[in-house]
Amino acid sequence: RKEVEQDPGPFNVPEGATVAFNCTYSNSASQSFFWYRQDCRKEPKLLMSVYSSGNEDGRFTAQLNRASQYISLLIRDSKLSDSATYLCVVNMRGSTLGRLYFGRGTQLTVWP
Amino acid sequence: NAGVTQTPKFRILKIGQSMTLQCAQDMNHNYMYWYRQDPGMGLKLIYYSVGAGITDKGEVPNGYNVSRSTTEDFPLRLELAAPSQTSVYFCASSYEGGGPQHFGDGTRLSIL
Repeated sequence: RKEVEQDPGPFNVPEGATVAFNCTYSNSASQSFFWYRQDCRKEPKLLMSVYSSGNEDGRFTAQLNRASQYISLLIRDSKLSDSATYLCVVNMRGSTLGRLYFGRGTQLTVWP
Repeated sequence: NAGVTQTPKFRILKIGQSMTLQCAQDMNHNYMYWYRQDPGMGLKLIYYSVGAGITDKGEVPNGYNVSRSTTEDFPLRLELAAPSQTSVYFCASSYEGGGPQHFGDGTRLSIL
């Protein structure tokens, strides 16, 4: 089983739509969770951290379910500029580094 | 504040040539990482460092070497370039292990 698994999509939604991405992780001892955004041919950029109680940043809401080892990202009122690949990222506790594991990403296209 | 700076941005090598990909960060981060990303795939960790003088292998270290003589710099060396090393290489840094990573804008490398 891969450390982090995501539905690769693609998700194609109209402007203004609400879209949700899911991610599962294999290590129950993971402690840090993030969503990154990667535009085509660009570097990954931190979108938001994910906290145990869930958190919101404008139109973006992240949820964590530790029991199910599941993370989600909800985007409301989608904009054209939200078109990108969204990477689920998890820390794997247990290694001395506490390294991050990146999912392959979920591709989102928002159309006018 | 430049963040993470990678050079060069693009390079074409012939099989068997060698080169060094440069990475520098000005955030005083102890943790630095090298990833490669093949088309349509996720990030794979090549090498990482938890501080000056300390480096260790990631999941795909074969064909690469690193050094970390200063906190700021973390160069990646390809000794005998092979077509399988054609990829986009990203350098990243973080304040703490397991914390959010900041990425450079990548080096696109082609081996012909």
